Order: sequence, then structure tokens, then C-alpha cells
Amino acid sequence: DAGVTQSPTHLIKTRGQHVTLRCSPISGHKSVSWYQQVLGQGPQFIFQYYEKEERGRGNFPDRFSARQFPNYSSELNVNALLLGDSALYLCASSRGQGIGNTIYFGEGSWLTVV
Amino acid sequence: QQQVKQSPQSLIVQKGGISIINCAYENTAFDYFPWYQQFPGKGPALLIAIRPDVSEKKEGRFTISFNKSAKQFSLHIMDSQPGDSATYFCAASLRGAQKLVFGQGTRLTINP
Repeated sequence: DAGVTQSPTHLIKTRGQHVTLRCSPISGHKSVSWYQQVLGQGPQFIFQYYEKEERGRGNFPDRFSARQFPNYSSELNVNALLLGDSALYLCASSRGQGIGNTIYFGEGSWLTVV
Repeated sequence: QQQVKQSPQSLIVQKGGISIINCAYENTAFDYFPWYQQFPGKGPALLIAIRPDVSEKKEGRFTISFNKSAKQFSLHIMDSQPGDSATYFCAASLRGAQKLVFGQGTRLTINP
């Protein structure tokens, strides 16, 4: 079975632009989460969606938004990009919520803002 | 209270030695403690995880030790191999929530 897949793998954007990152969870997984990993640091939680509803939001500005589609895939949108948004954006999926639901990560989308 | 503190930042171990990475947390509501391994250019991969009702969990060469009263947990890698060279992250989550709080990471280098 395919793991969590993300696209694009690398992209370069200019300050002030908008970016959309996409994620396909593991087949059968209904929960998708997004994390931001700045170089040299641990991933930071941005959003979690389960059954197409937002179930958790991290401490990120409103420029960050996400949604989950009926097929459980998800996209993360970031508006008005800042240099500080340069990071690896990780998508993770799990079968459901609660104890026993292992979280699996994709390989991420590298975003560089210039 | 939501922080997980990880040490050391970097660690060099000789092949065959024991690698030990430590983490501490404040929030006693955390109830799931996974360790992730991340190679350069890759996403984090789950290595081993523990719940606070057990003090130790072993899978192959990897062992988690958990001290609930001290609010600390650690990863031990026995017989460390050059292929174990990677960055390791501890994490914690609240009551089975899908939000993971990660430590800062430990860059492990195993010298041949």
C-alpha cells in the first residue's frame, strides 16, 4: 500500500504570494494532520481534520488554512507568504482518532520563500 | 505546559555502543509518547511508542524507559549501528488526540 503522499515535493515562492500544498492519506485513513518543520527543529502542529471537519488547530496565523475533501485527501493553503514560512510542510494520516491510531508522516513539501 | 524538552541536541556514539536520548514533559495529561526517526530529506517514521501505564517497552534494539513520577522518558538504542545515524524526535499527545507535541530533536551519529 502507498504511504502518505504529498505534492509538490519542492517549491519556491516569492514573499506575498499564495501556496497550496496537497496530501493523499494512506488508503483507509480518515484523519489528516499538517505540521510545519523549520530546519533544525521538531515539527509543529498546524491543523488536524477528521471526517472532513477541523478537529484541531495549532498556534498559527489566519494566513494558514486547510480543508479535507470527501476522498479524505487534504490541502494546506498559506496566503501572503513571509520569509519565515520557509520550512518543510509535513502531512500525516491515521485511521481514526483516539488511542491506538498510529500517525504516519509523508516525506513533506519543501517550501522556500524568497 | 505543552512543551517536550529533549536532550542532548547531538550525540556521537561508537558502533556497538548504547545511544541514550532523554525527554521531559510538564503536562500530566499527555498519555501517548512516541519516538520518531528522521533521515535527511525524509519525513519522520514511527520507531516505538509507549503509554504511561508501563515503565518500559522493548522492540528489537530499541527500548523506551518511562518514569511517570519524574515526567521523563528516554530512548535507548542498543548495539548502535551506522545505519542508525539520523535525527530522533520524542513526542507526546493528549488523550489520544492526533496532535503531537515534538521535542527539539537529537542528531545521532554512529561512528564505524
